[in-house]
Amino acid sequence: DAGVIQSPRHEVTEMGQEVTLRCKPISGHDYLFWYRQTMMRGLELLIYFNNNVPIDDSGMPEDRFSAKMPNASFSTLKIQPSEPRDSAVYFCASTLSVWRTEAFFGQGTRLTVV
Amino acid sequence: TQLLEQSPQFLSIQEGENLTVYCNSSSVFSSLQWYRQEPGEGPVLLVTVVTGGEVKKLKRLTFQFGDARKDSSLHITAAQPGDTGLYLCAGGRTGANNLFFGTGTRLTVIP
Repeated sequence: DAGVIQSPRHEVTEMGQEVTLRCKPISGHDYLFWYRQTMMRGLELLIYFNNNVPIDDSGMPEDRFSAKMPNASFSTLKIQPSEPRDSAVYFCASTLSVWRTEAFFGQGTRLTVV
Repeated sequence: TQLLEQSPQFLSIQEGENLTVYCNSSSVFSSLQWYRQEPGEGPVLLVTVVTGGEVKKLKRLTFQFGDARKDSSLHITAAQPGDTGLYLCAGGRTGANNLFFGTGTRLTVIP
């Protein structure tokens, strides 16, 4: 397996624009997580899915953020409209099951909002 | 509220030195994982410990889970430049799949 795949690796956008981040989890993994990492706040959990169903979105900062998982092999995190304070590295991770919580991370998307 | 506090936050040492980083919490976890993250990459799992008092060794790295399962430590012997990176601990709870990540320790090993 190629691991968790995220795209794009880098995104630079202007304030107010819509941004869509994409993730392909490891095949067979039941859980998918979206994290945001900054120097100030570290690694923060935004939302996670189990079998494509959102389980906990309490970490989503505000209504400008939304996430979907239309099938087991694809998820998106959308920010609309984007703001400079959204600049961060966004990671997607997947885990096998509720009993195997070892997380496999993608390489991340570095988002810069100017 | 940060459930897992790591110390020190930053550590810069010379090649060949030993070091210990700590991961502390007031909460009990069913498992504790350690990850290393290199610049431009996602965190990569190093080890999982599940039993209070458990010690695991991975070459020059020694991981320990506290008896009460509230804390953990990572000891590196004879550090090498390749050990440079951000070390993250993460706690898991039975029946819940989400991990609680620590604040991180950024290690730099100077050749």
